[in-house]
Amino acid sequence: EAQVTQNPRYLITVTGKKLTVTCSQNMNHEYMSWYRQDPGLGLRQIYYSMNVEVTDKGDVPEGYKVSRKEKRNFPLILESPSPNQTSLYFCASSLSLTGVATEAFFGQGTRLTVV
Amino acid sequence: GNSVTQMEGPVTLSEEAFLTINCTYTATGYPSLFWYVQYPGEGLQLLLKATKADDKGSNKGFEATYRKETTSFHLEKGSVQVSDSAVYFCALTTFNTGNQFYFGTGTSLTVIP
Repeated sequence: EAQVTQNPRYLITVTGKKLTVTCSQNMNHEYMSWYRQDPGLGLRQIYYSMNVEVTDKGDVPEGYKVSRKEKRNFPLILESPSPNQTSLYFCASSLSLTGVATEAFFGQGTRLTVV
Repeated sequence: GNSVTQMEGPVTLSEEAFLTINCTYTATGYPSLFWYVQYPGEGLQLLLKATKADDKGSNKGFEATYRKETTSFHLEKGSVQVSDSAVYFCALTTFNTGNQFYFGTGTSLTVIP
C-alpha cells in the first residue's frame, strides 16, 4: 500500500530537549516536505527536498532542521524546541515531474506539544 | 505570489442539504487546484483536483470546476451525509514552485442527522 508514515503520532516534550520526527514514504517520490498546521492558518511549509541531499527552506523554517540522506526518509529535527512550535505536523511526498504539478500524499500527522 | 482564500467555518448542515465551500486563489504561473479532506484524527486525503481551466474534478459526489476568469474552485455536493463531516482544504500548486502546495485555512463541516 502506498503511504507516508510519520512517527510518533503524539509527542509531549519540554523546552530545549532535542527531538526528531521521522517520515518515510514507499512510493519512490523525489519530492518531500514538512508542513505545520495551526488553527486559522491552514498548512504552512517548513522545509522541502527535491531529491536526496537537496533541501531548502519553506515559508516557516526557523527552529527546524531536516536531512535527506535516503530517498524514502525525510526526518524533521527540532534542536531546541520552544512552546511556539506546539503544532500539528504533516509530512508529504509527491512525484517531481517537469512541467506537471502532481498531487501530494500526506502522513497521518504528529501532534507535538512543547511545555 | 501564491495564495488561497476559502470561506470561514465552521459550517453546520443537516443531512441531505446542499453544500458549497467557496475557494478563490491568486497564483503566479498556471496553477493546478486541489481539494483535500481531513477526517478527525487523520492526515489529509486528496478529494479531487483539476489541472486546467474549465476542468471539473469530481469524487464521492463532490465536484469543483476550475474557473480561470473568476480565479475560483468552489466545492459543491448536492446531498451531504453525516460521514462527510470533516475539514476541507482548498490548495494550489504550480510546477514552477517546486511542488510546494499553498493551502487555504480550512473549512470545518459538521453534518447533523
